[in-house]
Amino acid sequence: DTGVSQDPRHKITKRGQNVTFRCDPISEHNRLYWYRQTLGQGPEFLTYFQNEAQLEKSRLLSDRFSAERPKGSFSTLEIQRTEQGDSAMYLCASSLADGPQETQYFGPGTRLLVL
Amino acid sequence: DQQVKQNSPSLSVQEGRISILNCDYTNSMFDYFLWYKKYPAEGPTFLISISSIKDKNEDGRFTVFLNKSAKHLSLHIVPSQPGDSAVYFCAARPYTNAGKSTFGDGTTLTVKP
Repeated sequence: DTGVSQDPRHKITKRGQNVTFRCDPISEHNRLYWYRQTLGQGPEFLTYFQNEAQLEKSRLLSDRFSAERPKGSFSTLEIQRTEQGDSAMYLCASSLADGPQETQYFGPGTRLLVL
Repeated sequence: DQQVKQNSPSLSVQEGRISILNCDYTNSMFDYFLWYKKYPAEGPTFLISISSIKDKNEDGRFTVFLNKSAKHLSLHIVPSQPGDSAVYFCAARPYTNAGKSTFGDGTTLTVKP
């Protein structure tokens, strides 16, 4: 399968714990995005990378959140000191920056539940 | 302030009939619009898009219409099939910022056999 993959698919943690999610984009894609989706809402942009450079971060991305893409391939999203409000689906998408009509391909998401 | 709105949380249509999903936006900087389809336990899948220089784009059974003056777009599915049952998200972005899309909250389409 050559699509976007995310790991884990589900994560249950206790409040105050740290969690880390991984995203593997489509291999030739140079852009990688993180979105968060809560129940009944659409995906909300968190941050994106072009190669290894983090180009933009949303105000939603508090100091407890950090994302990396160290070699311009896979990316990790870490949430420190999780809160119940962090419970959501975390979606990763990748694309090839080939002009204004670039298409994002989404992974299946990581569903986080903070108890 | 929600910049992309899908005012109908759900829509039910009979197989073979037309499905019309609507989307409104408020940000005048948006000039590229997309529709995604999402099945349970999967990420959104790109369906069709339209830039603001057009008012219609068609791909098989799917047609997107854009009314710039009203800041409104719609997705028409003709004929609707049971496999079209999914959540449909409208998204918008500036043409010059290709990556960062703003999504609506989705409309759940149910196509009954």
